[in-house]
Amino acid sequence: GAGVSQSPSNKVTEKGKDVELRCDPISGHTALYWYRQSLGQGLEFLIYFQGNSAPDKSGLPSDRFSAERTGGSVSTLTIQRTQQEDSAVYLCASSFNRGDLHFGNGTRLTVT
Amino acid sequence: GIQVEQSPPDLILQEGANSTLRCNFSDSVNNLQWFHQNPWGQLINLFYIPSGTKQNGRLSATTVATERYSLLYISSSQTTDSGVYFCAVEPYTGTASKLTFGTGTRLQVTL
Repeated sequence: GAGVSQSPSNKVTEKGKDVELRCDPISGHTALYWYRQSLGQGLEFLIYFQGNSAPDKSGLPSDRFSAERTGGSVSTLTIQRTQQEDSAVYLCASSFNRGDLHFGNGTRLTVT
Repeated sequence: GIQVEQSPPDLILQEGANSTLRCNFSDSVNNLQWFHQNPWGQLINLFYIPSGTKQNGRLSATTVATERYSLLYISSSQTTDSGVYFCAVEPYTGTASKLTFGTGTRLQVTL
């Protein structure tokens, strides 16, 4: 079946603009994560959705970042008033409860 | 929060060699997974292994939960094994919580 799908694959935006990144998880997966990875670095946790529980937003770096997950499926990560330090690859992943975590191919965000 | 340390940070092997990658974690865990990130950035799940031993082809993993570490073994390494290997853990709590990633081991396999 289809894997985790992220769009767009690349996004170039000007400093100060807002961006929306989309994630379509694997159908039926209850858990959805957003991570961020800067060049040559590890994975930085951003936010975690699990079923109907309140999301764990503890990794969001500032109030410019927000995410929602509609209908327990698609998720959108929004970054307002983008800054150059927001440039990174944004990765979405999903799993069924605590099972194998599957990653999308990421969205490469460049803020100029 | 839980601390996850991976060693070594970097490893260079000749094709055909074997290697052992280690993941230490600071608390009891419900969930531990190993991932490979290839040079093109794709992250692939290798093992779900909160305890015990699993094998998949040339790769195997062992988690000793009581001693808070996990090992990933790569035998007869190939150039396609190059990339970064991450472990990720979920601490043992009453409810599901996020997976925290280690800093990774960067592996380069040469001819």
